[in-house]
Amino acid sequence: DAKTTQPPSMDCAEGRAANLPCNHSTISGNEYVYWYRQIHSQGPQYIIHGLKNNETNEMASLIITEDRKSSTLILPHATLRDTAVYYCIVRVFNFGNEKLTFGTGTRLTIIP
Amino acid sequence: ETGVTQTPRHLVMGMTNKKSLKCEQHLGHNAMYWYKQSAKKPLELMFVYSLEERVENNSVPSRFSPECPNSSHLFLHLHTLQPEDSALYLCASSPQTGDPEQFFGPGTRLTVL
Repeated sequence: DAKTTQPPSMDCAEGRAANLPCNHSTISGNEYVYWYRQIHSQGPQYIIHGLKNNETNEMASLIITEDRKSSTLILPHATLRDTAVYYCIVRVFNFGNEKLTFGTGTRLTIIP
Repeated sequence: ETGVTQTPRHLVMGMTNKKSLKCEQHLGHNAMYWYKQSAKKPLELMFVYSLEERVENNSVPSRFSPECPNSSHLFLHLHTLQPEDSALYLCASSPQTGDPEQFFGPGTRLTVL
């Protein structure tokens, strides 16, 4: 699975959009980008995933560059409850590939 | 609330004790996972079960022994642990192995004295 690079920490003002970057320059054509987050003392929570098109759900938007070497997770109106560690994971999506390899992620702090 | 429950939420044990962690899901998922999260280290996958059969064991010491009696329940039996085994142990499930969304439980915070 391709390696990802994320900034260790970021701050964002409450109510503003939080934009979390992820570099995955060695991504291959059949690898998807997944985002999870982990709020303190809880298990990780799936947010969104995508291959090449931008994706949006009720939690967030995922913007993937055309060359797929980087992506941005956007939380459109951040709240204090969005304070968490956000993990960007790249891996092949196939049944039988069980592994989610979590890195160190980005610690996002929402400032009141 | 993800539909995956874990008990106990906190556990303190001595190095000679035997204890078990329990995970339960009633989501109808066929795959279940154990992860370990130590302080300041990334999550590490320990074991994967698919339809009650172990499909992955990531070089985990034998003092950790998983058991999956049915697709809704997963146990992690602990025996003669070391202080460095103190960590948050997380259970997860997904419809099939390889599904993009895994549902995690809240974890068991284990302290080994």
